[in-house]
Amino acid sequence: GAVVSQHPSWVICKSGTSVKIECRSLDFQATTMFWYRQFPKQSLMLMATSNEGSKATYEQGVEKDKFLINHASLTLSTLTVTSAHPEDSSFYICSARGRMNSPLHFGNGTRLTVT
Amino acid sequence: GQQVMQIPQYQHVQEGEDFTTYCNSSTTLSNIQWYKQRPGGHPVFLIQLVKSGEVKKQKRLTFQFGEAKKNSSLHITATQTTDVGTYFCAGRGGATNKLIFGTGTLLAVQP
Repeated sequence: GAVVSQHPSWVICKSGTSVKIECRSLDFQATTMFWYRQFPKQSLMLMATSNEGSKATYEQGVEKDKFLINHASLTLSTLTVTSAHPEDSSFYICSARGRMNSPLHFGNGTRLTVT
Repeated sequence: GQQVMQIPQYQHVQEGEDFTTYCNSSTTLSNIQWYKQRPGGHPVFLIQLVKSGEVKKQKRLTFQFGEAKKNSSLHITATQTTDVGTYFCAGRGGATNKLIFGTGTLLAVQP
């Protein structure tokens, strides 16, 4: 149980275009989903917390107009990287949890390369 | 803000040797979780510790939560090549009560 599906696994896009990443909890209802960014050989940096039916809470330094998050249902959250630039190239991972303090279940991640 | 540091950053061992990674938080934690991330993969939950001084075991893995609830350790006995990966602790605490990931320890095991 507790499977989180993230799509796509990898994407290459041109500078200036937008990319949407989907995160789905397949067998449980995720009241909260989290979006992380991970640079090579580094830790996970929390970008934003996404609560179903409400606006996402962004971490300091993360541009909410650039990284649009929508959590339309208890099983789906999306992250859209708008007007992507090469410096946005990274590994983006979502995670989901049911109850507060329960473990996080991670998606497989999306490797974004902006050319 | 809250910081969670891990040492060492990297450890290379021969198969069969033991391995320990240490996790230290700048603030008191309500709980701590450990995750393993294989190369190219995503973090996978291993365990959660809640009580002061708590020790939990999973086969060759021993997890410990410090008495002051500001540090934790993961010890692997007799490492195997399947243990390769980055081990992250993640602590919840501080004013925001957010889950903050540690800096991670990359374990390499030579057969």
